[in-house]
Amino acid sequence: GNSVTQMEGPVTLSEEAFLTINCTYTATGYPSLFWYVQYPGEGLQLLLKATKADDKGSNKGFEATYRKETTSFHLEKGSVQVSDSAVYFCALSDLNDYKLSFGAGTTVTVRA
Amino acid sequence: DVKVTQSSRYLVKRTGEKVFLECVQDMDHENMFWYRQDPGLGLRLIYFSYDVKMKEKGDIPEGYSVSREKKERFSLILESASTNQTSMYLCASSSPGREREKLFFGSGTQLSVL
Repeated sequence: GNSVTQMEGPVTLSEEAFLTINCTYTATGYPSLFWYVQYPGEGLQLLLKATKADDKGSNKGFEATYRKETTSFHLEKGSVQVSDSAVYFCALSDLNDYKLSFGAGTTVTVRA
Repeated sequence: DVKVTQSSRYLVKRTGEKVFLECVQDMDHENMFWYRQDPGLGLRLIYFSYDVKMKEKGDIPEGYSVSREKKERFSLILESASTNQTSMYLCASSSPGREREKLFFGSGTQLSVL
């Protein structure tokens, strides 16, 4: 079945530091890949997505590239802010299945 | 602003009680989902629905049931609550077609079963 593995947290960074959160996946077909973010006290929201190999998703300064050869979709941001403190979830969906499979989530705390 | 509203932010129940978690969305979405979120396990799908009066089991349906009598409302029912159902419950919705994978989530209900 489909599954997502993402790096364990928590991750603590200083403002303007570089952030990477690793995500790898297992899927039988050609999934679409997503990053969702959950800010404190709020529901999850879609951050970015990529639907095919070599696609790059980007939003709010975050980027992730769909790497089929390494089955990865790592999230990166070049210069984080305190407002980026949140829990980040990697997820995938199979073309034949509407359901999303989520990773365990990575808690990121950015200190001023 | 589009919204998915869950009826309670915090809920405390006793073992054996019947528990209802309510979710309402105002986006006219066909698809609705119930997940539970546990530390280290991420989100796990309990049930989902693609239409009124329609339901399908997710990955962990045991001990739960759902009801969808109206398009905007999707209820999760714990028939006889147990301590291992203590968790954060998240409701989500999405539209059909190409945007079906863009889920809109509620803020969650933290359920404690004592």
